[in-house]
Amino acid sequence: DTGVSQNPRHKITKRGQNVTFRCDPISEHNRLYWYRQTLGQGPEFLTYFQNEAQLEKSRLLSDRFSAERPKGSFSTLEIQRTEQGDSAMYLCASSLSIRRRVKETQYFGPGTRLLVL
Amino acid sequence: GQQLNQSPQSMFIQEGEDVSMNCTSSSIFNTWLWYKQDPGEGPVLLIALYKAGELTSNGRLTAQFGITRKDSFLNISASIPSDVGIYFCAGQRDAGGTSYGKLTFGQGTILTVHP
Repeated sequence: DTGVSQNPRHKITKRGQNVTFRCDPISEHNRLYWYRQTLGQGPEFLTYFQNEAQLEKSRLLSDRFSAERPKGSFSTLEIQRTEQGDSAMYLCASSLSIRRRVKETQYFGPGTRLLVL
Repeated sequence: GQQLNQSPQSMFIQEGEDVSMNCTSSSIFNTWLWYKQDPGEGPVLLIALYKAGELTSNGRLTAQFGITRKDSFLNISASIPSDVGIYFCAGQRDAGGTSYGKLTFGQGTILTVHP
């Protein structure tokens, strides 16, 4: 399967614990996005990487959230001291962006569903 | 965060009927996309629109990029049971070059198809 993969698919944790999610993008895709989706809503942008550089962070991304993309391949999203309000589906998407090319299609992974008790 | 205005919120139709849903924004987008999401899965791209006025089809699906660049619609013809799911529109402002291309999504349209 050459699509975007995410692990784990489901995570249940207790409030105050730290969790880490992983995203493996489509190979050769240089852009990687993280989104969060709560029940009944569309995905909301969290952060974005161009290769290994994190270029933008949403105000939704509090200090308890950190994302990395070492070597410009897979990415991790860590949430420290989880709160019940962090319960959501965390989606990763990747795309290939070429300078001066208008079309950039984002392909999504299956998501990681987080439940904080 | 900002989301696009997508309507209707839900639709209950009979198999074989046509479906229409739309999305509006107060600001301009350079790209409009339509995704379908099944429960517990990530969104899957259906149609991408890159030019104002563009009309694009993908099988029984047809989508248009509004001339004002502030709206888009999706039509599904002759619906079948597997069309069931949540349909999202998404707008993107900066798709090329070094600018990031984050997507702004609508709230989704829940489609139920009765056999």
